Amino acid sequence: QKEVEQDPGPLSVPEGAIVSLNCTYSNSAFQYFMWYRQYSRKGPELLMYTYSSGNKEDGRFTAQVDKSSKYISLFIRDSQPSDSATYLCAMSPLPAGYSTLTFGKGTMLLVSP
Amino acid sequence: NAGVTQTPKFRILKIGQSMTLQCTQDMNHNYMYWYRQDPGMGLKLIYYSVGAGITDKGEVPNGYNVSRSTTEDFPLRLELAAPSQTSVYFCASRSSGTGDNEQFFGPGTRLTVL
Repeated sequence: QKEVEQDPGPLSVPEGAIVSLNCTYSNSAFQYFMWYRQYSRKGPELLMYTYSSGNKEDGRFTAQVDKSSKYISLFIRDSQPSDSATYLCAMSPLPAGYSTLTFGKGTMLLVSP
Repeated sequence: NAGVTQTPKFRILKIGQSMTLQCTQDMNHNYMYWYRQDPGMGLKLIYYSVGAGITDKGEVPNGYNVSRSTTEDFPLRLELAAPSQTSVYFCASRSSGTGDNEQFFGPGTRLTVL
């Protein structure tokens, strides 16, 4: 079993839809969870950062962590064509300052106008 | 700030050739990283550095070497290039300490080994 599993997609939705992106993981030591967004032919950029279980909201984006199920989600409300990108989950057992990150393979999202 | 810059943007190598991928950051970050990204495979850590003079292996270090003589620069060396090293290479940096400590990524170098 891989440490971090993420459906590669592509996930195609119409503009305005609510998008749900997910990752599962096997290492119970993971405590810090991140979502990166990567536009085509660009480097990834940090979108959301959460610690332990719970929700975190930032504008149209909500990150959710369920450590009991080893499952994290990213919700995008009122999706826009500009949200079309690959979304990578990443996680680490320690604060990002003290350990390296384990990345999922990424989910490609396509939002059509 | 320019952030993290990488050169070259593209490169085609023949099997057995060597090259150095350059990475420079101007944010005075202590931590720097090299990743490779194969299609549909996410990011794999090659090497990382927690400061000048200190480097360590990541998940996939074979076939690569690094050095860190300054805070700003973290070059990645490929010796005896092989087709399996065809990939997109990303350099990243971050500040030390706790907090969200975002890793800032460069634009990547697309390498093809034929």
